[in-house]
Formats: sequence, C-alpha cells, structure tokens
Amino acid sequence: SALTQPASVSGSPGQSITISCTGTSSDVGGGYNYVSWYQQHPGKAPKLMIYDVSTRPSGVSNRFSGSKSGNTASLTISGLQAEDEADYHCTSYTSSSTYVFGTGTKVTVL
Amino acid sequence: EVHLVESGGGLVQPGGSLRLSCAASGFSFSSYWMSWVRQAPGKGLEWVANIKQDGSEKYYVDSVKGRFTISRDNAKNSLYLQMNSLRAEDTAVYYCAATLVATAGYFWGQGTLVTVSS
Repeated sequence: SALTQPASVSGSPGQSITISCTGTSSDVGGGYNYVSWYQQHPGKAPKLMIYDVSTRPSGVSNRFSGSKSGNTASLTISGLQAEDEADYHCTSYTSSSTYVFGTGTKVTVL
Repeated sequence: EVHLVESGGGLVQPGGSLRLSCAASGFSFSSYWMSWVRQAPGKGLEWVANIKQDGSEKYYVDSVKGRFTISRDNAKNSLYLQMNSLRAEDTAVYYCAATLVATAGYFWGQGTLVTVSS
C-alpha cells in the first residue's frame, strides 16, 4: 500500500515547510534507512532530492533536508523559493525487496 | 552526460502486449540497478520492477507479477519491459531509471506513454 503524504502543503517565499511520509514497520519504519524524496515539475521526469533518509545528491541545494522517526519520514524545504513549487514524492525500500512510493504532495509557493 | 531514452509506448487493446525499451548512455550501465516506474495520468508514481546489475535478481510490484517481465542486455546498454495481458489500469507514462544506491532511481529517462484502451 502507498505511503501516506499530505495532498498539499503551501508556504510563502523564505519560509520553511515540512512534508511527511508515513508508512509501516515493513517499509519506512524497517531496519534500513532507505527513504528517498523526488521533486517533479509538471510534464517532467522526477528528480532525486534526498536518498538514504538524509543524503543529498551532488548539485541539490542544501535547503532540502530529510529525516526519519519511527514509521514517518520528513522532507523539509527551508528558504522556500518559487522554483520549489512542484510535486514531491517519497519512496521507501520494503521488507519484500521492492519499493513503495508515497501518494505525492503538491507544494505551492504563495 | 547520462542519457536514458525510453521507447516502445503506444496504444494497445486490453489483453494485448507491448515491449518497452530503454537505451542508456553516458554511464557504466552494467554497474547499475535498473528500474521501471510508472505514473498514471494525474496520479502519483508507482514502482513497477527492478533488476540487478547482472540480471540475477528481479523484483516486481504485486499488480504486474506474472504479466510483466523485466530484462536487460548489458552488451547493448539496454533495459526492457515485456508487458503482457495489459489492462486499462496499466495506462501510464513508464519511466526507466538507474541507480547505484538504494532508491527507485538516481537517473531518470523522460518516459514513454502506454495507453490501454479499446
């Protein structure tokens, strides 16, 4: 079953927002820290923003940070900018050696 | 520069078959796990399948098990997805993705649209 994310989150430029991603002990809350976050602009392919819960790929702004507590992972975007307006998807490795995505969150910059 | 280019999408009738291909360049294809991820119109992402570097391990989402087969040809730097017994709910953009780390995809293609309809 898909991980649970809020349908939408909004914030003003310069503010910080946090997107949650709730799963179970078979995925997010499992014994491995394999949660990732993707950014997707309309009509575009997803872009990896965070992997291994909190690691940023080369070239990704340090305004993006990730964390995890129990069955819930979180993505925080600080210093919100207009270009951050996009859909965000979390994903987790599972105990079945598969991956499961979240329901997706639309971020709006007011 | 990394390039992943999907092809093979199109319109197919329910119950039909389609084979997607993904041509890779700009990186050491044989060193990467490869995945297929799909996105139905207006919906979120759904991981479909992945395959280990040497093809020895393959995993599938339950909804496609027994219908879809993932494969790769390291000599041709190519990934494939054979899709049989297609259903309307398989309609989606299918993305090819490559990764060295434990995630669905580090590098992504631009996707190919599969439409299952009569």
